[in-house]
Amino acid sequence: DAGVIQSPRHEVTEMGQEVTLRCKPISGHNSLFWYRQTMMRGLELLIYFNNNVPIDDSGMPEDRFSAKMPNASFSTLKIQPSEPRDSAVYFCASSLVVSASEKLFFGSGTQLSVL
Amino acid sequence: AQTVTQSQPEMSVQEAETVTLSCTYDTSESDYYLFWYKQPPSRQMILVIRQEAYKQQNATENRFSVNFQKAAKSFSLKISDSQLGDAAMYFCAYRRKTGNQFYFGTGTSLTVIP
Repeated sequence: DAGVIQSPRHEVTEMGQEVTLRCKPISGHNSLFWYRQTMMRGLELLIYFNNNVPIDDSGMPEDRFSAKMPNASFSTLKIQPSEPRDSAVYFCASSLVVSASEKLFFGSGTQLSVL
Repeated sequence: AQTVTQSQPEMSVQEAETVTLSCTYDTSESDYYLFWYKQPPSRQMILVIRQEAYKQQNATENRFSVNFQKAAKSFSLKISDSQLGDAAMYFCAYRRKTGNQFYFGTGTSLTVIP
């Protein structure tokens, strides 16, 4: 299996532009997580899907952020409009929730820079 | 949401020595899971060790072991015989048993001095 696949690996954009980050979870996994990593806050949970349904989006910072999971093999995180403070590494992770002892499998992250 | 606190932003250790990374968490739940992940400069997230809250025995994986103090809500990671390849950012994580959300701390950057 190729693991969790995220694209793009790097994204540079200007303030006000729309940004879309993409994620393909590991086949067969039924949970998907989006995280944002910054030096100040570490890894923040933005949103969590179970069986393609958003379960907890309390970590989404504001209405500019939205996430979708139209099917079991694809998810997007969109920022519109983007702001410089959104600059961070965004990780997608997936897990097969048979037991909560199951670990998360992470993608390689998207480094977002908003100028 | 549960909170996970790592109070040591940076730590350093001499090669072959032992180092302990601290982690505390806040929860009202009685059953949950705790993890330590390692993030080298490549940004890859690697599971180091996991602990189930209902188990009294501390988890061990080769040179890595934990000191789990449930009453104190403390979950520290001990790295023995430190190696240069252990240099990385280390994240402590809490996973709810119901709901399955994973919460991470802010990380500890570990430097290994040759």
